[in-house]
Formats: sequence, C-alpha cells, structure tokens
Amino acid sequence: DIQMTQSPSSLSASIGDRVTITCRASQSISTYLNWYQQKPGKAPKLLIYAASSLQSGVPSTFSGSGSGTDFTLTISSLQPEDFASYYCQQSYTIPLTFGGGTKVEIK
Amino acid sequence: EVQLVESGGGLVQPGGSLRLSCAASGFTFSNYWMHWVRQAPGRGLVWVSRINGDGSSTNYADSVKGRFTISRDNAKNTLWLQMNSLRAEDTAVYYCARVLWDYWGQGALVTVSS
Repeated sequence: DIQMTQSPSSLSASIGDRVTITCRASQSISTYLNWYQQKPGKAPKLLIYAASSLQSGVPSTFSGSGSGTDFTLTISSLQPEDFASYYCQQSYTIPLTFGGGTKVEIK
Repeated sequence: EVQLVESGGGLVQPGGSLRLSCAASGFTFSNYWMHWVRQAPGRGLVWVSRINGDGSSTNYADSVKGRFTISRDNAKNTLWLQMNSLRAEDTAVYYCARVLWDYWGQGALVTVSS
C-alpha cells in the first residue's frame, strides 16, 4: 500500500498568514493527488485535484503543487473560514490512501 | 443539483450486520464509479470500497474484505454497503462519494458495541 505522510499534524496560524502543508507519498504517484478540507461534523470538501487543479468554487487563495512523491497545499492568506482539518489522498492505485490530516487552528 | 444521501446507520452488536444505502440524484449515476470512505471518531479518513458503473468490478480495503459487500442498482440510483461480522473497530461515520470526489454524502454513523 502507498503510505501518505502529512506534516505538520497541526499548526496554529493567524488571519492573513500564509500556510503550507506537505504530503509525501511512499512511492511515486505522478500527480494523482487530491486535497480536502473537512470541518467538524461535515463531509470532506474537495479543494485541489490532480495535485494542482483548483476545484470549481474553491477560493484562489488555495493552491497545490508537486508531483512524484512530494506535494504541497498552500493557503496564501488564511481566512476565518479556513480553520479546519486538511487531508491529502492518492488516487494512483488501490487501496486509495489518505494522509493523517493537518488541523489548522487559530493562534 | 447533485445529491448523495446516506441512510441505514445505527447501533449494532459485535458480529452483527448492517446495510448502508446511498441515494444519488442530479447526475447520471450509472456513468460513475462510486466509493465508500469511513472515519472513526476523532480519526482520519480511510477508504473502504469502490464499484464501477455497471457493478461488475469491485475493490475493498483489506480490513473489510470478506465481510463487506458493495453493490448498486442503477435503476434505483442507489449504492449499498452490506456490512457483516461487524467489529468494534468498524465504528465510524461512513461516507459515499462519487469517483471525481467532488460530491460526498452527509455521512452515516455506525456504532458497533454491546
């Protein structure tokens, strides 16, 4: 199975901060990488697909980059509604696997 | 409007069975692979199973293989997850999602406890 390692597991940031979350795959997954945002009690919401494509309706403050084994989700200017948990997911091969998550909290 | 609505969750004893349903609307259901993903309380997301558009191909996570069965009825626009021999570690919110991962259901809570 492909292991997805996210870091950090949590972070504290202020409104307007630039935030970067990384995700590393245990083997190359090309650009078969999705990023999700999840708020408590809600289903995950797709933010980025194919490593760098912004899902329709998602603010342009979110961006993704990377290929192969190393990927990054960047929030260019943190907004109040961005405090949530974030997950990466590889869709390269079965079993599909998710990173352990990053919780973004208010500083 | 695309909608996925799960139902069938609840409390079940260890060793028991439960069937989750996911009712789809707003898109051509038969054109899409569908997935089940679960999330134990306070934990991360875990992929469970997938099925292709006509139901002829399925895959499962090792942790549920042989105990869970995914199926679908395209005439009813419904996806199911039959869960047998349930264990405490199967306790989770179960989500259905379509293959593009752009739409998810609201989740169904399954609690396995005596």
